[in-house]
Amino acid sequence: EVQLVQSGGDLIQPGGSLTLSCVASGITVNSKFLSWVRQVPGKGLEWVSVMHPGGNTYYAGPVKGRFSISRDNSKNTVFLHMTSLSVGDTAVYYCASSTGWPGFDDWGQGTLVTVSS
Amino acid sequence: QSVLTQPPSASGTPGQRVTISCSGGRSNVGSNIVNWYQQIPGTAPKLLIHSDTRRPAGVPDRFSGSKSGTLASLAIRGLQSEDEADYYCGTWDDTLDAVVFGGGTKLTVL
Repeated sequence: EVQLVQSGGDLIQPGGSLTLSCVASGITVNSKFLSWVRQVPGKGLEWVSVMHPGGNTYYAGPVKGRFSISRDNSKNTVFLHMTSLSVGDTAVYYCASSTGWPGFDDWGQGTLVTVSS
Repeated sequence: QSVLTQPPSASGTPGQRVTISCSGGRSNVGSNIVNWYQQIPGTAPKLLIHSDTRRPAGVPDRFSGSKSGTLASLAIRGLQSEDEADYYCGTWDDTLDAVVFGGGTKLTVL
C-alpha cells in the first residue's frame, strides 16, 4: 500500500519562505513522478510542480522561479521549497505520485499553507 | 479561469445515469490522455479514471470515461448517494508545459 505523509504547512508572512515534506512508503520516490498540487479552500485543483524519475523538474507558471522541488532518495522524501510567498499562495498543498504521467495515483493528506500578515 | 471547461454542477436521482463533460483544446485534451478525480469535501482527491477510459483497481464499473477529439466525458450509471462529490478532469498541456485541470463539477444526488 502506498502512503504519502506530508508535513510542513504553517502560517507565514508575505515574502517568507517555507519547505513542505512528503515521506513516501510503498514506493520509491526515484521510480515515480512526484508532484505537488494545491487547492485554495473551496476552489479547484492547481498543479504546482513535478519531479520525473530521471530528475527533470517542471513548474507551473505562477510559481516558476519561486518554488523548487527536490527529493532525498535516502529518506524516500520529496520536498517543495517555497520562497517569496504571497497571499495568493495560500492553499492546501498535496503531494501526489504517478506511475503513468500525468495521472495522480496516490495522494498525501494535504497540508495547509497560509500566507498572511 | 481554468484551461479545461467543466459544468460547475450536475445532479441526478439514485439509479440514474449522469455525465460530466470536460472540454479542452488541441494542445491538451486533443493530444494527451485525460484523467478524472473524485474529491469528497475535506479529503484528498482520488484517481477515478486514467488514460481516458481505464479504471484503477477498486473503482466500480459504474464509472466510465470516454474521449472524442477535444471533449472528454465521465459517466456514472446507477447513481448512488456516496457518489456525491466534486469531480475534476486533468491532463497535460503541450503549450503550457503544465498539468491543467478543469474547474470541477459538484455532483449532487437528489
